[in-house]
Amino acid sequence: EDKVVQSPLSLVVHEGDTVTLNCSYEVTNFRSLLWYKQEKKAPTFLFMLTSSGIEKKSGRLSSILDKKELFSILNITATQTGDSAIYLCAVIGGTSYGKLTFGQGTILTVHP
Amino acid sequence: DGGITQSPKYLFRKEGQNVTLSCEQNLNHDAMYWYRQDPGQGLRLIYYSQIVNDFQKGDIAEGYSVSREKKESFPLTVTSAQKNPTAFYLCATAREGGLGHGYTFGSGTRLTVV
Repeated sequence: EDKVVQSPLSLVVHEGDTVTLNCSYEVTNFRSLLWYKQEKKAPTFLFMLTSSGIEKKSGRLSSILDKKELFSILNITATQTGDSAIYLCAVIGGTSYGKLTFGQGTILTVHP
Repeated sequence: DGGITQSPKYLFRKEGQNVTLSCEQNLNHDAMYWYRQDPGQGLRLIYYSQIVNDFQKGDIAEGYSVSREKKESFPLTVTSAQKNPTAFYLCATAREGGLGHGYTFGSGTRLTVV
């Protein structure tokens, strides 16, 4: 059974701090790992990672995948209150129908 | 404009009642999914469909049923057999099996049993 574990489950920081969110996984026939941000309703796509060691960046957010250690991190630098959200990690593996297996999510709260 | 429409946004159900959650898309995506989200548990797959008139059980299908009579529509029925139906339900679609970042989520339906 595919499994995704995120840590920490919750995190409280102040504006300007840098945070690192962790995602470890066990999946058969790994295809890709995705990060989403969920504020109130629909998760919004952040990154898709398929290759080890290649950092993806978007503004203050960056992510990298380690396929040997079955691990990914999401970094957010110079956090802002608008970064407060649930961050979801998901993997695609197994069959070709594209099923996503999600982790529990990390609840990030950024105080002014 | 293109997207996924879930309705209603909020739904209250009495115990013992069946309710149906709507999911409509105009993205022309083949695959559609239903996920359930509970606090501290992320999203869990209920049912998915890759083509019209075909669907498969996900990880937590018990107490739920679906249909896929049209490409655009994938309604989810929460039956009285579902013991803990209070949750946030998300519908998603994907192009080409979702191997790219072609997943799109609806805005969700929050179901509460009263």
